[in-house]
Amino acid sequence: GDSVTQMEGPVTLSEEAFLTINCTYTATGYPSLFWYVQYPGEGLQLLLKATKADDKGSNKGFEATYRKETTSFHLEKGSVQVSDSAVYFCALKGWGNFNKFYFGSGTKLNVKP
Amino acid sequence: DAGVIQSPRHEVTEMGQEVTLRCKPISGHDYLFWYRQTMMRGLELLIYFNNNVPIDDSGMPEDRFSAKMPNASFSTLKIQPSEPRDSAVYFCASSSFNYRRQENYGYTFGSGTRLTVV
Repeated sequence: GDSVTQMEGPVTLSEEAFLTINCTYTATGYPSLFWYVQYPGEGLQLLLKATKADDKGSNKGFEATYRKETTSFHLEKGSVQVSDSAVYFCALKGWGNFNKFYFGSGTKLNVKP
Repeated sequence: DAGVIQSPRHEVTEMGQEVTLRCKPISGHDYLFWYRQTMMRGLELLIYFNNNVPIDDSGMPEDRFSAKMPNASFSTLKIQPSEPRDSAVYFCASSSFNYRRQENYGYTFGSGTRLTVV
């Protein structure tokens, strides 16, 4: 069945460091891919999405490219800030599956000043 | 729009008591989801509704859990009787799907209800 695997955390970086959080998926057909972010004490918020192969989603300096050949959707940011400290979730919506998402286990990011 | 509204934000109850969590989805969204989040198990989908009808409740852990959606603007998740292992953060989320364009716009989550059963 459809599933998402993302790297375990926590990931600890210094401010202005480069960030990569890996996400790979298993799905049939043409899934849509998402990254969500959860700040402490809050619900998940949509960060970015990509709906077809080679699409690049971007928002707030974060980027992720939908790579069908490697079944990946890695999250990157060139220069992280302390305010980026949060838990990041990779998610997949299966093709033909109207609205059921599959979430990864989440990766906690700690950014130190 | 005020977003997805959940109440209460925090609930502390004694084992054996009934607990009711409430959710008001975004107006116009036709899907509603209940999730549970714990450190051990991460984010688990409990049940979801489409146009107020339960579609998939395979994630509901046992008969002590029940969910209803009497109308498009309100849903409840009830636990009766509650147990300490039910302690978690419960999230409600809603979304819409454009059937003509076959496009999904992603979920909008509420702020969650932190449930503690002692």
